[in-house]
Amino acid sequence: DSGVTQTPKHLITATGQRVTLRCSPRSGDLSVYWYQQSLDQGLQFLIQYYNGEERAKGNILERFSAQQFPDLHSELNLSSLELGDSALYFCASSVDSGGRANYGYTFGSGTRLTVV
Amino acid sequence: AQTVTQSQPEMSVQEAETVTLSCTYDTSESDYYLFWYKQPPSRQMILVIRQEAYKQQNATENRFSVNFQKAAKSFSLKISDSQLGDAAMYFCAYGHYPGDKIIFGKGTRLHILP
Repeated sequence: DSGVTQTPKHLITATGQRVTLRCSPRSGDLSVYWYQQSLDQGLQFLIQYYNGEERAKGNILERFSAQQFPDLHSELNLSSLELGDSALYFCASSVDSGGRANYGYTFGSGTRLTVV
Repeated sequence: AQTVTQSQPEMSVQEAETVTLSCTYDTSESDYYLFWYKQPPSRQMILVIRQEAYKQQNATENRFSVNFQKAAKSFSLKISDSQLGDAAMYFCAYGHYPGDKIIFGKGTRLHILP
């Protein structure tokens, strides 16, 4: 167990629908990152939140949105789903130690989204 | 913009042999961090090794070591005494300051031949 919890693990939904993916970061981590991994592809950065505020945005579609709540858990909302949105969605968290080092991320186990 | 390139989509190595996975990156920054992540069939992303750019000494973690060439912007991963459990997708990744987003390469799929 990495300490980063993602739910659900699997999700099957129809085109046009809306889904919410949930992530609880590792205890003490303030930053949450969302990535999309399509079949046999690398990880595409979607968005980052730090202590409740959006910090960085990647190639995130307008149909997608996210937020981080006061308890630091985060949700990624995907709407008007298309077949091409089928992918593995990862959440990761990191220790932001105040500027001394970058220790990389701790990843959750991902949510496998299948749009049919 | 920073980029990470892994030129080997797939590689194979005999069990117990040594294999090197290549990675190049592009950045205008002088201080940054490089990572290798492993993604086995379970799909979990696992940090294998990290390198701080200001350190000239190559990082080592048990059977995993890197060859960091800062001037050439090259960061290869060497796996010694390959084991069946090393079979996975390996991603090279770049991060700048602490808390910065990490940029991943497209990955190299490593097969271990018994």
